[in-house]
Amino acid sequence: EIVMTQSPATLSVSPGERVTLSCRASQSVSSNLAWYKQKPGQAPRLLIYGASTRATGIPARFSGSGSGTEFTLTISSLQSEDFAVYFCQQYNNWPPAYTFGQGTKLEIK
Amino acid sequence: EVQLLESGGGLVQPGGSLRLSCAASGFTFSNYAMSWVRQAPGKGLEWVSAVSSSGGSTYYADSVKGRFTISRDNFKNTLYLQMSSLRAEDTALYYCAKRGSSGYFDYWGQGTLVTVSS
Repeated sequence: EIVMTQSPATLSVSPGERVTLSCRASQSVSSNLAWYKQKPGQAPRLLIYGASTRATGIPARFSGSGSGTEFTLTISSLQSEDFAVYFCQQYNNWPPAYTFGQGTKLEIK
Repeated sequence: EVQLLESGGGLVQPGGSLRLSCAASGFTFSNYAMSWVRQAPGKGLEWVSAVSSSGGSTYYADSVKGRFTISRDNFKNTLYLQMSSLRAEDTALYYCAKRGSSGYFDYWGQGTLVTVSS
């Protein structure tokens, strides 16, 4: 099983700040990496796929980078609606054995 | 607009069975693979199972293999998850998710809660 490790577990930041979240895979997943945002009581929402492609309707302040085992999600200027939990997911396996990171919670400082 | 609406969750005793359904609309259901993903209370996301667009191929996480069965009805635009031999650790919110162009999930339902307890 490919283990996905996100860091940090919690990040306290102020609105307007730039923030970078990390996700590491236990083995290479190429660019088969997605990021999701989940607010309390809501389903996850796709932000990024292919490590760096923004999903439909996702603002340009969200950007993803990386390949292989190291990935980052950057939010250039935090808005109030961005305070949430962020998960990464690898989808490199076939047959599918998709795995998620444990999540990074962005909270207001 | 893509919509995924799960149903069928509830309280079940350990060892019991339950069938979840996910009604899909707003896209050509028969063209896309689908998955179930679960989230235990206060925890992260765990992929459970996937089915190909035709329904001919199915895949499972090791934690549910042999106990859960995924299926689909492309005429009814509905995805199913038959769960048996349920355990306390299966307690979770179960999401239905549409596969994107690759193995990521571009749309999710709101989930249906399964609680396994005596």
